[in-house]
Amino acid sequence: DAGVTQTPRHEVAEKGQTIILKCEPVSGHNDLFWYRQTKIQGLELLSYFRSKSLMEDGGAFKDRFKAEMLNSSFSTLKIQPTEPKDSAVYLCASSQGGEVFFGKGTRLTVV
Amino acid sequence: TQTVSQSDAHVTVFEGDSVELRCNYSYGGSIYLSWYIQHHGHGLQFLLKYYSGNPVVQGVNGFEAEFSKSDSSFHLRKASVHWSDSAVYFCAVSAPNTNKVVFGTGTRLQVLP
Repeated sequence: DAGVTQTPRHEVAEKGQTIILKCEPVSGHNDLFWYRQTKIQGLELLSYFRSKSLMEDGGAFKDRFKAEMLNSSFSTLKIQPTEPKDSAVYLCASSQGGEVFFGKGTRLTVV
Repeated sequence: TQTVSQSDAHVTVFEGDSVELRCNYSYGGSIYLSWYIQHHGHGLQFLLKYYSGNPVVQGVNGFEAEFSKSDSSFHLRKASVHWSDSAVYFCAVSAPNTNKVVFGTGTRLQVLP
């Protein structure tokens, strides 16, 4: 039974580059979330989709972060341009019935 | 808008002790409450959830949580902790009508031998 799949697991980018993170939610889940996790800020919600519709785009993250959900089984998070402060673990999650399933995350390092 | 608060950033106990990790929430309507565990270097994993019925819910590995409407709380407990319970624990709330999940800042539990 496939859980949430995130690729790549690790990404190293130079400042100013564009990077795209990918996520496949659990099949049949209608809700998909992108979070950023750092030691200082904890879990920050970047985007929230419900049945492929963008419900929340994370306020402060709007300018350089763009999440899309082209179909019910695939989502991307684009960061353009990247900055060193974007270094973090990016988590994708999908949910059903109040239970959230997380992917293993993508560790992004911006140098 | 639902909010969730975990007042303790760090909790340290000895193996075999009991522990309670606190979670308080604010929301006016029906709500899902849940706990997640994150071991170092790993992703978050679901522990347990409450929506209705018996206010005490059982999770994996001997964890349980109790919902209190009067206190707006959903504290996580374990009667006898093991060193492998050392992890960060996140409380989460979501409203059934929106499904948006909001997480607390996490409590790091350290279990000493």
